[in-house]
Amino acid sequence: GENVEQHPSTLSVQEGDSAVIKCTYSDSASNYFPWYKQELGKGPQLIIDIRSNVGEKKDQRIAVTLNKTAKHFSLHITETQPEDSAVYFCAASIQGGRDDKIIFGKGTRLHILP
Amino acid sequence: DTAVSQTPKYLVTQMGNDKSIKCEQNLGHDTMYWYKQDSKKFLKIMFSYNNKELIINETVPNRFSPKSPDKAHLNLHINSLELGDSAVYFCASSPYRDGNEKLFFGSGTQLSVL
Repeated sequence: GENVEQHPSTLSVQEGDSAVIKCTYSDSASNYFPWYKQELGKGPQLIIDIRSNVGEKKDQRIAVTLNKTAKHFSLHITETQPEDSAVYFCAASIQGGRDDKIIFGKGTRLHILP
Repeated sequence: DTAVSQTPKYLVTQMGNDKSIKCEQNLGHDTMYWYKQDSKKFLKIMFSYNNKELIINETVPNRFSPKSPDKAHLNLHINSLELGDSAVYFCASSPYRDGNEKLFFGSGTQLSVL
């Protein structure tokens, strides 16, 4: 089955700097890669997603890149702000079947330092 | 207006008891899920339902029984609670019939078994 590895587990960056979180997946059939942000005491919230037919996607300060050959994808947050502090999860799944599951990485706790 | 609401937010109970967690979504989605998040923040799917039909049952002990009276509700009943059941349980929904795309999570139920 699919396995998703996420690094680092903790990341501290100075406010205004960029943050990068990396994930690798094992199943080459995976074709959908979302990223979720979980703030303290809340449920995860989808912030961006990418499909395997796209190499990069941007939404304001957030971007995701996908390298299908290497089976890895990354989340880039530019000009970080205090409200970016949260736990971020990458995930991978195979779209197309009703019983397809999504597999999450173990999360990255991002601290934005003032 | 909360999109995915689950109750209670906190649940403290003794080993051996039976408890239920309720979930409702007002997004008109066809698919609903239960996820478990352990103390290390690892998110794992437990069940998924599509329009009241069980789709995924992810090797969860049969002490856990989901019930979907209609497509807007997915409740989780747990019998004979054990210490290892302590975790945060998230309900989620998706507008997509197939797969795990664009999940909307509730704010979680923190279950503590003493």
